[in-house]
Amino acid sequence: GAVVSQHPSRVICKSGTSVKIECRSLDFQATTMFWYRQFPKQSLMLMATSNEGSKATYEQGVEKDKFLINHASLTLSTLTVTSAHPEDSSFYICSARDGSRDSETQYFGPGTRLLVL
Amino acid sequence: GQNIDQPTEMTATEGAIVQINCTYQTSGFNGLFWYQQHAGEAPTFLSYNVLDGLEEKGRFSSFLSRSKGYSYLLLKELQMKDSASYLCAQMDSNYQLIWGAGTKLIIKP
Repeated sequence: GAVVSQHPSRVICKSGTSVKIECRSLDFQATTMFWYRQFPKQSLMLMATSNEGSKATYEQGVEKDKFLINHASLTLSTLTVTSAHPEDSSFYICSARDGSRDSETQYFGPGTRLLVL
Repeated sequence: GQNIDQPTEMTATEGAIVQINCTYQTSGFNGLFWYQQHAGEAPTFLSYNVLDGLEEKGRFSSFLSRSKGYSYLLLKELQMKDSASYLCAQMDSNYQLIWGAGTKLIIKP
């Protein structure tokens, strides 16, 4: 149980284009989903927290107009990187918390590797 | 801010035991997590401690002392596939995770 998927797993795009990453909880309802970014050899950096049906809460320094997050259902959250630039190239990972369990554990998706040329 | 401290890198021998320590600031504590992350992959959940003591789960055990702001992850009967980074993360008063930089564990035959 507690499986989280992400799509796509890898994407290469041209500078200036937008990229959408999907995060799905497959066997549970995720009341809260988290989006992280991880640069090589660095730890995870939380970008934003999203609760189903409400606006995402962004961490300081993360541009909400550039990283659009939509958590439209209890099993799906999307992150759209708008007008991507090479410095946005990174490993983007989502995680989800199971709202039905009395647990604070976050379960991670497999990640999406973004390369902006 | 809150700091999570763990060693940057450790080396151990296949079949042996290794203990990875983690210290955190005790204010605003709602639990301590350990995750394993292989190179190029996302983290996978290993353990969650919110009460003092040792939690054993197969070859892996995790210990917590809330008064000391201290946790460790103990790996027994090390296998080559255990070579990975091990991330310590504290859940703060807002139920958000504060991540350590990770400990890269190298297993030698």
